[in-house]
Amino acid sequence: AQTVTQSQPEMSVQEAETVTLSCTYDTSENNYYLFWYKQPPSRQMILVIRQEAYKQQNATENRFSVNFQKAAKSFSLKISDSQLGDTAMYFCAFMKVSGYALNFGKGTSLLVTP
Amino acid sequence: NAGVTQTPKFRILKIGQSMTLQCTQDMNHNYMYWYRQDPGMGLKLIYYSVGAGITDKGEVPNGYNVSRSTTEDFPLRLELAAPSQTSVYFCASSYEGGIFGKLFFGSGTQLSVL
Repeated sequence: AQTVTQSQPEMSVQEAETVTLSCTYDTSENNYYLFWYKQPPSRQMILVIRQEAYKQQNATENRFSVNFQKAAKSFSLKISDSQLGDTAMYFCAFMKVSGYALNFGKGTSLLVTP
Repeated sequence: NAGVTQTPKFRILKIGQSMTLQCTQDMNHNYMYWYRQDPGMGLKLIYYSVGAGITDKGEVPNGYNVSRSTTEDFPLRLELAAPSQTSVYFCASSYEGGIFGKLFFGSGTQLSVL
């Protein structure tokens, strides 16, 4: 079974600053997908960014980027120029290439302060 | 497009009661999922379906049942509700499982069993 660990239950960052959220995972698979989902207070789950394990290049989406270290099984999310609207729970998730569903970590609550 | 629609948004049940959480999507997605989210925990997969007539258990299926008679609908049935089933329930769908990474989530159902 795959496990996803987010070791930071809560984090805070000031507006315009940069913050990094950590995620590690455990798997024996060689090919898989990793994701970061955002859950704002509205409870809606929103895909932030996605990484294919076979790609060495780190994924980026505007102010969001990842640091994917396959050997270390690490997948951190960097948010640059933090905005108040980034306040949310952030979930790291894993999926096997042959799988059907996501395995989620417990989440990191991020608070962006003025 | 409405996306993924869940009803009801909130519900209080008494121990031993039964109910059905409704989920419908209008994106013609083959894959549909039910997750539950407990406080301080990530989302855990209850059941999933890869197409009409096909369902399978996820990580925490006990106490629940599902059916998938059409592509659009994927109801979740709770029989003999227990306090341990107090949670937020999310329905989600995707076009090709997680291959493209984007699960579309409903807005969730907050269920309390008292």
